[in-house]
Amino acid sequence: EIVLTQSPATLSSSPGERATLSCRASQSVSTYLAWYQQKPGQAPRLLIHDASNRATGIPARFSGSGSGTDFTLTISSLEPEDFAVYYCQQRSYWPLFGPGTKVDIK
Amino acid sequence: QVQLQESGPGLLKPSETLSLTCTVSGGSVSSRTYYWSWIRQPPGKRLEWIGYIYYTGNVIYNPSLKSRVTISIVTSKNQFSLKLSSVTAADTAVYYCATFDSSGPMQGTFDYWGQGALVTVSS
Repeated sequence: EIVLTQSPATLSSSPGERATLSCRASQSVSTYLAWYQQKPGQAPRLLIHDASNRATGIPARFSGSGSGTDFTLTISSLEPEDFAVYYCQQRSYWPLFGPGTKVDIK
Repeated sequence: QVQLQESGPGLLKPSETLSLTCTVSGGSVSSRTYYWSWIRQPPGKRLEWIGYIYYTGNVIYNPSLKSRVTISIVTSKNQFSLKLSSVTAADTAVYYCATFDSSGPMQGTFDYWGQGALVTVSS
């Protein structure tokens, strides 16, 4: 069974700063990895699919990279609306989500 | 654009059966594009995929829940449903219905979500 881990658990940053979030899989998932953003009281929103492809309507400040077991979500310059929890999800076997990284305001 | 809306009881007692319905608009449960999915999120915890159903009626469940879960589809009402038997406090969560792309560039992702339904299990 694949296990996903995310780091850091919490990232404290200021608007305008660059945020780098990590997702690691216990075994290779190729590029079958997605990223979601979830704000309090809301459903998750798909940001990135297949490791590096932005979903429709997602701003260019969000980018994804990686393959195999190590993946990164980068927010180039944090906007106030970007403070949220971010989850990675793999689809190599059954769908599985990581534990999340909370990006909060420093 | 597909829209999803969960409905069902919000409070259950231990050992009862959770029943939720997802009503689909802007799309059809007969579509080959999606697997119709259920996902849950206990308070303060990560998302957990429960299972999904294809328009053919083929269902796949999370192995950890498989013995208690039934997902079915009602084409005439453009709905799909979730039943989870023998609930305990550990099943308290927000339950989401969502689309899971079966093919194409978005394959394997959950791109449309309902707003979520909080189900609390308490005696």
